[in-house]
Amino acid sequence: KQEVTQIPAALSVPEGENLVLNCSFTDSAIYNLQWFRQDHGKGLTSLLLIQSSQREQTSGRLNASLDKSSGRSTLYIAASQPGDSATYLCAGPGGTSYGKLTFGQGTILTVHP
Amino acid sequence: DTEVTQTPKHLVMGMTNKKSLKCEQHMGHRAMYWYKQKAKKPPELMFVYSYEKLSINESVPSRFSPECPNSSLLNLHLHALQPEDSALYLCASSQWAGLHEQFFGPGTRLTVL
Repeated sequence: KQEVTQIPAALSVPEGENLVLNCSFTDSAIYNLQWFRQDHGKGLTSLLLIQSSQREQTSGRLNASLDKSSGRSTLYIAASQPGDSATYLCAGPGGTSYGKLTFGQGTILTVHP
Repeated sequence: DTEVTQTPKHLVMGMTNKKSLKCEQHMGHRAMYWYKQKAKKPPELMFVYSYEKLSINESVPSRFSPECPNSSLLNLHLHALQPEDSALYLCASSQWAGLHEQFFGPGTRLTVL
């Protein structure tokens, strides 16, 4: 059974800082990992999907990496802005159920001006 | 266009009511999903449809009845719900189940009185 853990649970940083969010998973047979953003009470916005054959994916100020051997993924946010404040979730395939995503508990990010 | 739409945005129903949630996507995706999200928790998978056929039911109570009338539309029929079923219900879609990026709708906020 896939278990996904995110550290830290909450993070507060001043505007302009670079920051790293961490995600770890127990099943190294993972074939992809997806990062999402969720604003309070809203749906999820897909940020990046990393396939198992990839090591990194970049989109604007976001960079996500995947290391299957260590069971870790990181989301790097450069030059953070107050608009980046949200909950960030990582999710990986949920074991034998093809199509199931298992989510971490999320990291609540606050970027203050 | 990577949009998944959901209606209604908010729904309040009594325990004896019958109501339906609707989800639509026009991205040509052949996999569609229902998730349930309680406050301060990550989403939990309920159902997966692949090519309009139910492929995963995560042991969801029968008071929730999914339906996929065509490849663009997904419904969730609700009957005799309990107050603990109050949650944000999220719909998602992907090109196929498993390997591909999932795109989420904005959700329906359900309150059961």
